[in-house]
Amino acid sequence: GQQVMQIPQYQHVQEGEDFTTYCNSSTTLSNIQWYKQRPGGHPVFLIQLVKSGEVKKQKRLTFQFGEAKKNSSLHITATQTTDVGTYFCAGPLTGANSKLTFGKGITLSVRP
Amino acid sequence: NAGVTQTPKFRILKIGQSMTLQCAQDMNHNYMYWYRQDPGMGLKLIYYSVGAGITDKGEVPNGYNVSRSTTEDFPLRLELAAPSQTSVYFCASRGLAGGFNEQFFGPGTRLTVL
Repeated sequence: GQQVMQIPQYQHVQEGEDFTTYCNSSTTLSNIQWYKQRPGGHPVFLIQLVKSGEVKKQKRLTFQFGEAKKNSSLHITATQTTDVGTYFCAGPLTGANSKLTFGKGITLSVRP
Repeated sequence: NAGVTQTPKFRILKIGQSMTLQCAQDMNHNYMYWYRQDPGMGLKLIYYSVGAGITDKGEVPNGYNVSRSTTEDFPLRLELAAPSQTSVYFCASRGLAGGFNEQFFGPGTRLTVL
């Protein structure tokens, strides 16, 4: 079945370092979404990318959608302790735009 | 607006007991979803609904049931609780497509089955 993959599942960085994570889909996606879940919290929507090669920025976070619309990346510049959490990517199931397939997420820890 | 609300926040069940997890949203969203989240496994879709009176199975529906009699409410029923249903359950909602497809999540219910 359709899969959305995020590897690795955990990453530890020193505060101030940059961080990049990737998301890969087994099929072409009409759009991709990113969510953030703080420890003990619930997923919160960050952004949606729709166009091939699209790049969007939110302060220190940069999101990119691949040219083939099968992968995406999240880059955080100069990580801060507030960036701690799990970042999920998600894409709509083929032929079922109302449902999302979530990756397993990457849990980011930041050493102060 | 309260957004998506879930009750209870925590619950411990014994094997074989039943319970209903409540979910409500006040955003007039058509789409509603139930996910379970197990450590390191991401979010798995249990059931979803595209509108009042319409529900459908997701990826992991066994052991659960849902109903959608109103736009606002989407309860999840566990009939015979099993230890494998120990998880964190999230309800989410989404408006009609045409703009962002973002899903709004509730705070979750942490369920333990012993």
